[in-house]
Parts: sequence; structure tokens; C-alpha cells
Amino acid sequence: GAVVSQHPSWVICKSGTSVKIECRSLDFQATTMFWYRQFPKQSLMLMATSNEGSKATYEQGVEKDKFLINHASLTLSTLTVTSAHPEDSSFYICSARDVRGTRDEQYFGPGTRLTVT
Amino acid sequence: AQKITQTQPGMFVQEKEAVTLDCTYDTSDPSYGLFWYKQPSSGEMIFLIYQGSYDQQNATEGRYSLNFQKARKSANLVISASQLGDSAMYFCAMREGLEGYQKVTFGIGTKLQVIP
Repeated sequence: GAVVSQHPSWVICKSGTSVKIECRSLDFQATTMFWYRQFPKQSLMLMATSNEGSKATYEQGVEKDKFLINHASLTLSTLTVTSAHPEDSSFYICSARDVRGTRDEQYFGPGTRLTVT
Repeated sequence: AQKITQTQPGMFVQEKEAVTLDCTYDTSDPSYGLFWYKQPSSGEMIFLIYQGSYDQQNATEGRYSLNFQKARKSANLVISASQLGDSAMYFCAMREGLEGYQKVTFGIGTKLQVIP
């Protein structure tokens, strides 16, 4: 299957600072990427859909100014958690949509565990 | 209403036995896709199997098969010959629509533990 990477795999930051998480599709171009967050023992909740070259589409209840998404190229989307607080501590997972040929699949990155102290 | 319902928070299965993980879904869109993902303790989401709403046959991928009952709106995952490495969280998910903007909605997951 296709490969999607995330960096960093884990990060600890102090309250009030900003953290950037990268999501890359390594062997295909992804015009659409998705960002999810997952709290312990809970399911994945879609935060936003990242579209290359245009503004991200945020789900209801997700603060656009707090979770900045930039999809600057066909292989890279970034999520920046601004002015992070302890309640932002979570597991953030990205996925990339693969529509090469007849495919329409969604491949997930390995996730980034964010801890805000 | 919940789009995806997984009613089994936890399941145990003996090694080498088969196990069925339940999933029901709710949609009014005639075109949709159903997925199962495995999430081990490391956190990565591993794609297991896919079933399209128009597929006539149940999907199979190695030891995984999807028992698709469209009228009942259920898409249960069957794992045959369970292995210790199958212990993980399993998520059922649905994507609605074939064209344009699509997002995948996940269930709350089922924790499967394989007993030696």
C-alpha cells in the first residue's frame, strides 16, 4: 500500500507554545489529506480536510485559528497547534487520499502524540 | 444518530479460533464504502478490508472477510484463525458518496484480545 509519514512521532511542549506536525505522502500525490485527533480509548474524530492549494475545510467545533492547516504541495500538509494548552494533548493522525488510476483509498500516517505540559 | 455503531467495547478470542466484530451503519446515501482498520498499541491505523455498497460479493482479504448485509445495514468483520498479533483495536468506518467531498466516519472501536 501507499506510504504516509508524519513528523514528529511524538512531541512534548510547554503550554502557550505552538507545535507543527507534518504529514507527507511518500509515493503518491495527494490533493486531499485529512487530520484526525484521537483521545485515549476513543475513536478518531475528523478535524479538517486539507485541500492542496486552497483553504482547509474544518469540522464543526474545530477552531480554525487554533489548528492551522497548510497544504502547500501535493505531498505535504501541516497542522500547527497554536498556543497549545494541556487539553490539546492528544494523538493526531493524518491520512492522504490516493486516487491514482481507479483507486480511491485513504492511507494513514503513524500518528503524532502531543503532550502539552 | 450515530453513523457507525460498534456495540462490542471488548472481545476475547482463543488463538486459532474465528471471531466476528460487529458493525452497523446508518446512511441515506445509496453510494457508500465501508472499511475496517486495525490499530495496534503503536497507534498506526492499518487498512484491512473494504466493501462498496454496490459490490455483489462480500469482500475478503486473507484471513479477513466482511459479512455485508445491506438490508440490515451491517458490515461485520470476521477474522479466521486468530493470531496473537491480531490483538488490537478495530475500527469500522464509512465513507458516503462516490463523488466530490468525502469524509470517513469512524465507530468507537472494539478491543480484541487473542488468548494463547
